[in-house]
Amino acid sequence: GENVEQHPSTLSVQEGDSAVIKCTYSDSASNYFPWYKQELGKGPQLIIDIRSNVGEKKDQRIAVTLNKTAKHFSLHITETQPEDSAVYFCATNDYKLSFGAGTTVTVRA
Amino acid sequence: GAVVSQHPSWVICKSGTSVKIECRSLDFQATTMFWYRQFPKQSLMLMATSNEGSKATYEQGVEKDKFLINHASLTLSTLTVTSAHPEDSSFYICSARDWDRANTGELFFGEGSRLTVL
Repeated sequence: GENVEQHPSTLSVQEGDSAVIKCTYSDSASNYFPWYKQELGKGPQLIIDIRSNVGEKKDQRIAVTLNKTAKHFSLHITETQPEDSAVYFCATNDYKLSFGAGTTVTVRA
Repeated sequence: GAVVSQHPSWVICKSGTSVKIECRSLDFQATTMFWYRQFPKQSLMLMATSNEGSKATYEQGVEKDKFLINHASLTLSTLTVTSAHPEDSSFYICSARDWDRANTGELFFGEGSRLTVL
């Protein structure tokens, strides 16, 4: 299956600062790249996704960029707030989602 | 967005017993559902793909006789952990693909079911 690498594994930021999480993938045929946020004891929730025909997508404080040539995509969270603290997973869709290892984001007040 | 419901949200059982977890798509028909297992501080690991009206497809290393999956209707898939043991304790999560949006690849996740085997 698809190999998805996600970095960093943990990220601590001051409230108001930006957070960036990066993922690389191996299958050049991948065409769908979602990001999920998982709070403790809950299932993952889709927060943003991007398809291979665009390079960047933004939704308020969250943005995702995609570089198909380099096979990597990134999640950007600006003006972080304490409620952004959670585990974030990137994934790629080769019919079955392949998940990255996750990034635990902690926003310090 | 579409809603996927899991039940129970948590369950405690004795070693050797069987536990059934339900996954329902509440407002759409799901021809395909996926079952994941997640250990603490780890990512989601796909266990099996459940297709309505046919046998589930299991990932390598997942025992199909231990983790029975049934997808009898377009809105319900069940996972039964048979003869559960403490090492089966985990967070089980299902996801479903919306038939009408199948081409988008978008999956909707349930809230997860926490299984603790004593």
